[in-house]
Amino acid sequence: AQTVTQSQPEMSVQEAETVTLSCTYDTSESDYYLFWYKQPPSRQMILVIRQEAYKQQNATENRFSVNFQKAAKSFSLKISDSQLGDAAMYFCAYRSAGTASKLTFGTGTRLQVTL
Amino acid sequence: EAQVTQNPRYLITVTGKKLTVTCSQNMNHEYMSWYRQDPGLGLRQIYYSMNVEVTDKGDVPEGYKVSRKEKRNFPLILESPSPNQTSLYFCASSFLTGVEKLFFGSGTQLSVL
Repeated sequence: AQTVTQSQPEMSVQEAETVTLSCTYDTSESDYYLFWYKQPPSRQMILVIRQEAYKQQNATENRFSVNFQKAAKSFSLKISDSQLGDAAMYFCAYRSAGTASKLTFGTGTRLQVTL
Repeated sequence: EAQVTQNPRYLITVTGKKLTVTCSQNMNHEYMSWYRQDPGLGLRQIYYSMNVEVTDKGDVPEGYKVSRKEKRNFPLILESPSPNQTSLYFCASSFLTGVEKLFFGSGTQLSVL
C-alpha cells in the first residue's frame, strides 16, 4: 500500500518570502500522479498543482512549483512571493495511474503567513 | 456550474440515531468517494464507487454504508453512529482516469454525542 508522509505539521513564512513544504511517499508503482491540495479555513479542498510521474519536468502554476524527485520519492511544494491568502492546510496526495483509484493523503502541513 | 453538492454542512446527533449525508455531482463522473478528515491523520477513504451499483471499501469502512443507485448520487449512511465517528466528511468525484483531479464537496462536520 502506498503511504504519503508530510513531516512538517506547521510552517510559517513572512509575506513575500518563499517557503517549501516537504512530502515523501512510498510506492512500488512506476506510474502514478501526485497532487498538492490546499484547505483554507473555509474547509474547501482546492487543487494547487499536480504532477504526472512519467514527466521529468517539474509542474508549475503561477507562484506554486514542485520539486519532483522520483528516485528519492520526494514531492515538495514551493510557494514564492507568499501572500496572506496562502495561509491554509496543505495536503500532499498520491494516486495510482490507470483506472481511478483512491487518493492517499498525507497528514497535512498548516502554513501560517505573517506580515 | 460544475460542482459536488454535499448536505448538510453541519450535523449534531446522538449515539445510535441513524443518519444520511447526501452527495450529488453534476459532472457525469463515474468515480465517487467518501473521506473522513481527522486532526493529525489527514483524509482517509471510507468507501468508493467506480460506477452505478459498484461500490467498494476504502481504508476505514467500519460503521458506514453507501449506495450508488444513480450515477450522480452517492449517499453515506451511518446506521448507528458512535462518538468515534465525529469527524469532517468529504465527498469527492472524478472521471475514471487517475490523472483527473478530484472535485470535492464542501464538507460535513458531524458531531456524535
